Amino acid sequence: DIVMTQSPDSLAVSLGERATINCKSSQSILYSSNNKNSLAWYQQKPGQPPKLLIYWASTRESGVPDRFSGSGSGTDFTFTISSLQAEDVAVYYCQQYYSIPYTFGQGTRLEIK
Amino acid sequence: QMQLQESGPGLVKPSETLSLTCTVSGGSISSSSYYWDWIRQPPGKGLEWIGSIYYSGNTWYNPSLKSRLTISVDTSKNQFSLKLNSVTAADAALYYCARRRSTSSGGGWEVWGQGNLVTVSS
Repeated sequence: DIVMTQSPDSLAVSLGERATINCKSSQSILYSSNNKNSLAWYQQKPGQPPKLLIYWASTRESGVPDRFSGSGSGTDFTFTISSLQAEDVAVYYCQQYYSIPYTFGQGTRLEIK
Repeated sequence: QMQLQESGPGLVKPSETLSLTCTVSGGSISSSSYYWDWIRQPPGKGLEWIGSIYYSGNTWYNPSLKSRLTISVDTSKNQFSLKLNSVTAADAALYYCARRRSTSSGGGWEVWGQGNLVTVSS
């Protein structure tokens, strides 16, 4: 199984400031057909299912605000919220869809400082 | 707009079978572009992929659950289902059904149900 490890486990950021979450995969998740990384980021608010924000490590899902971005390659990936809004309080997960079993990071809880 | 809705019992006895159904509305489960998945989340914990099914009936299971798991599809009812045998307390979780794009289309689960909470207790 590909192990996804996120850091930090929790994060407190002031409104309007940048929030950064890291995700490391235990092996390459590069999809050879298009040379893109098979990595997605999700946001989960309390009492709600996860919401897909980013796929191919850096492509925003339709309708997702551009303050959310993803980057990285190989085994190291980063998720950034450029200017934290109150509604961004949530748990964020990275997930690989390169190979079965599809696996998630343990989650990062993002709070307002 | 596509919607997914899980249904099934909220309480299952240890050693018995957990059965859930996901009803798809607002679109066809027979679309060639998507897979239909089950994902679970123990209370207060992270997410675990359970398995996938394609409308043709092809399935892919998490090896950790494969020996106890059956996922099936009923295209006439626009539904897919999960059966997990011999449940224990470790199977207690919020069970989600979700639609996943093919990897070539970007992967990712972009439509989710609201979840069905399953408790395992005698």
